[in-house]
Amino acid sequence: AQTVTQSQPEMSVQEAETVTLSCTYDTSENNYYLFWYKQPPSRQMILVIRQEAYKQQNATENRFSVNFQKAAKSFSLKISDSQLGDTAMYFCAFMLKQGGSEKLVFGKGMKLTVNP
Amino acid sequence: EAGVVQSPRYKIIEKKQPVAFWCNPISGHNTLYWYLQNLGQGPELLIRYENEEAVDDSQLPKDRFSAERLKGVDSTLKIQPAELGDSAVYLCASSLDRGTGELFFGEGSRLTVL
Repeated sequence: AQTVTQSQPEMSVQEAETVTLSCTYDTSENNYYLFWYKQPPSRQMILVIRQEAYKQQNATENRFSVNFQKAAKSFSLKISDSQLGDTAMYFCAFMLKQGGSEKLVFGKGMKLTVNP
Repeated sequence: EAGVVQSPRYKIIEKKQPVAFWCNPISGHNTLYWYLQNLGQGPELLIRYENEEAVDDSQLPKDRFSAERLKGVDSTLKIQPAELGDSAVYLCASSLDRGTGELFFGEGSRLTVL
């Protein structure tokens, strides 16, 4: 079974600073996706960034980038130039890429607070 | 474009009472999910539909939970009877493309069982 671990329950950062959220996962498979989802206080969860395991290049979406270390099974999210709107719960998630199965396994989440 | 719509947003019931949650996915999204999110936890899949067919319901407690997606659009999740431990947020999500992991979530229905 696949597991996702987010060991930091909570972090805070000053506006405009850079922050890194950590995530580790466990799987014996080779073909999978990793994700970071954001859940603002309104509770509507949205996809932040996605990484395919076979791609060595780290994914980037504007101020959001990942550091994907496949051998170490580590998948951290870096938020640059933090903004107040980045305040949210952040969930790391894993999905096997096989036969159209789309079962996302989520970590417990991490609460990020961006302070003015 | 309208997002995933869920209702009710909040529901408070006594234990042993029934409760139902409704979800309207994004138009054109064939895949629909119901997730359970306990306080301080990540979402856990309850059931996944491809059109009107439930293709993964292995985590759905079938003794008290049921779900349906008639006509492959709207979906209803029911709990009968509710227990204290069912207090949680029930999230509905939909997706357009299979296998991408890009899910679009509703705001959730928060259930409190007294």
